[in-house]
Amino acid sequence: TQLLEQSPQFLSIQEGENLTVYCNSSSVFSSLQWYRQEPGEGPVLLVTVVTGGEVKKLKRLTFQFGDARKDSSLHITAAQPGDTGLYLCAGGARAGGTSYGKLTFGQGTILTVHP
Amino acid sequence: DVKVTQSSRYLVKRTGEKVFLECVQDMDHENMFWYRQDPGLGLRLIYFSYDVKMKEKGDIPEGYSVSREKKERFSLILESASTNQTSMYLCASSLEYIPGDTEAFFGQGTRLTVV
Repeated sequence: TQLLEQSPQFLSIQEGENLTVYCNSSSVFSSLQWYRQEPGEGPVLLVTVVTGGEVKKLKRLTFQFGDARKDSSLHITAAQPGDTGLYLCAGGARAGGTSYGKLTFGQGTILTVHP
Repeated sequence: DVKVTQSSRYLVKRTGEKVFLECVQDMDHENMFWYRQDPGLGLRLIYFSYDVKMKEKGDIPEGYSVSREKKERFSLILESASTNQTSMYLCASSLEYIPGDTEAFFGQGTRLTVV
């Protein structure tokens, strides 16, 4: 059973379009992270959100953590071909759980932005 | 520049062989992790270690073991490789700044094929 459900699994869009990726769970997480992975490389952290309702912006990327800390979204405005890659959400330390830095990952969203 | 280095990018092994995947980090991190990545399943945690000689099972430990004799090195061992262990293996390390809120640094991955 996947604790973090990420959708959609695939996104193929044209340059300039907007998109949103969702990450949902029935569990409460102490934090939610978004990573981006390019072919042949390991994932690289984009952002961490910690507080329920928190919104963070990174240039054209907007990240939101749900009020109940069970879900998150990543919105990209005016997508560019350079945004192409695999996007992964990851939850840290579920409520009542121990941490040691363990992360629970969603299935990932493969984004392709066509010129 | 922080670094997690995995010993091999690509490996091809035969069924039944004992396989060692090595990972070294230069950030003095306490936590180290081994994940496997399969299409549509995201990253799944195999084992992690929060200190030298300490190890804990992750979500899918069957068929694997680990070794951490030094803080900077974390090895994943496939005791008797099987074809269903063909996958991308990712090593990561982290320093827990705040419990539940930590960035994981990943190696470039090892693509293992068992024939």
